Amino acid sequence: AQSVAQPEDQVNVAEGNPLTVKCTYSVSGNPYLFWYVQYPNRGLQFLLKYITGDNLVKGSYGFEAEFNKSQTSFHLNKPSALVSDSALYFCAVKKGSGGGADGLTFGKGTHLIIQP
Amino acid sequence: DTAVSQTPKYLVTQMGNDKSIKCEQNLGHDTMYWYKQDSKKFLKIMFSYNNKELIINETVPNRFSPKSPDKAHLNLHINSLELGDSAVYFCASSQLVQETQYFGPGTRLLVL
Repeated sequence: AQSVAQPEDQVNVAEGNPLTVKCTYSVSGNPYLFWYVQYPNRGLQFLLKYITGDNLVKGSYGFEAEFNKSQTSFHLNKPSALVSDSALYFCAVKKGSGGGADGLTFGKGTHLIIQP
Repeated sequence: DTAVSQTPKYLVTQMGNDKSIKCEQNLGHDTMYWYKQDSKKFLKIMFSYNNKELIINETVPNRFSPKSPDKAHLNLHINSLELGDSAVYFCASSQLVQETQYFGPGTRLLVL
């Protein structure tokens, strides 16, 4: 069975500072990895994904993430945080080839709070 | 021009009732999903469906059933609603099973 761990319930960062939201995963075979963001009372918005290729992936709103196979991690980064980045962030994984129509397995989410 | 839409947005009902939530996607995707988000914001897959297979999460009670009248719709029927069914239900879709899933705005279900 696959799983995702987001070890921090909350991350606090001052505006303008770099931010990192951590994610580690467990899946058999090659993973497909995703980051989503959820604003209060809203649906999930896709930020970025890793399927194959370059380990550093760039996504929406200046976010990027690095796939590290040896550490089974997919941490989300942004060089300079904005107050508007404050939201709930989810890391998700699904099994790569052979995964069929399986849905995503989500981490428990990390609240990102950017302080002015 | 909403990509994935759900109706209703809010649903308040009594225990024991039967209700449905509708989902439509206009992205031309071939796979659709239902997720449940509980009060602690945990997200869990309930169903995945494309024209070849239906995958049911084994933890989902059989009171829940997905119905797909066509490729653009995947509705969720819930029989004999229970208090524990109160949650936000999200529909999603993707093109090919490995691609990005796009989520609807959610349906907030409250069972009294």
